[in-house]
Amino acid sequence: DTAVSQTPKYLVTQMGNDKSIKCEQNLGHDTMYWYKQDSKKFLKIMFSYNNKELIINETVPNRFSPKSPDKAHLNLHINSLELGDSAVYFCASTSGGGNEQYFGPGTRLTVT
Amino acid sequence: TQLLEQSPQFLSIQEGENLTVYCNSSSVFSSLQWYRQEPGEGPVLLVTVVTGGEVKKLKRLTFQFGDARKDSSLHITAAQPGDTGLYLCAPARLGNQGGKLIFGQGTELSVKP
Repeated sequence: DTAVSQTPKYLVTQMGNDKSIKCEQNLGHDTMYWYKQDSKKFLKIMFSYNNKELIINETVPNRFSPKSPDKAHLNLHINSLELGDSAVYFCASTSGGGNEQYFGPGTRLTVT
Repeated sequence: TQLLEQSPQFLSIQEGENLTVYCNSSSVFSSLQWYRQEPGEGPVLLVTVVTGGEVKKLKRLTFQFGDARKDSSLHITAAQPGDTGLYLCAPARLGNQGGKLIFGQGTELSVKP
């Protein structure tokens, strides 16, 4: 059974478009994250939600808006996509601070 | 802003060789995690070290947390092609905020048969 799943796996779109990435975890975790991994493999946290409440919001453009309809889901909507948004986006979840984070397989976003 | 450095950034070796990768910082951490990310997949936790000077072994992998809890090392004995991947360290700062992990830039390891 998949623990953390993301859709889509690949996303190719043009500049200016709006797109969403979805994430679901079936581990019963209370905390979920979005990370961005750039072309140099640097993995940086973007957002964190705990029980549907936003608890971490790093310096991310307002074009990025996370939404958590319930604690098992955390979606990421991106408006007015730019070339620099091209990256691999990872969703992760954990049962508590400092504990193991379980990562999804990633969504490779390519903006042309 | 804390400075977290992993070295080397790239490492290409032959099967059977030994290697060590490092994770260094000027900050003190309450704990530190090592993850391995294989191509096309998300990172997977290998180990968490908590106590200064702690040594943990996972088959051919040996992890050490520095006495001052500012640095860590990962030693792989007799590397195999299956060890290929991106090795990431992720310390948790004292007064951890919401489980936030700050990853190093990683060491990309390639083990050739």
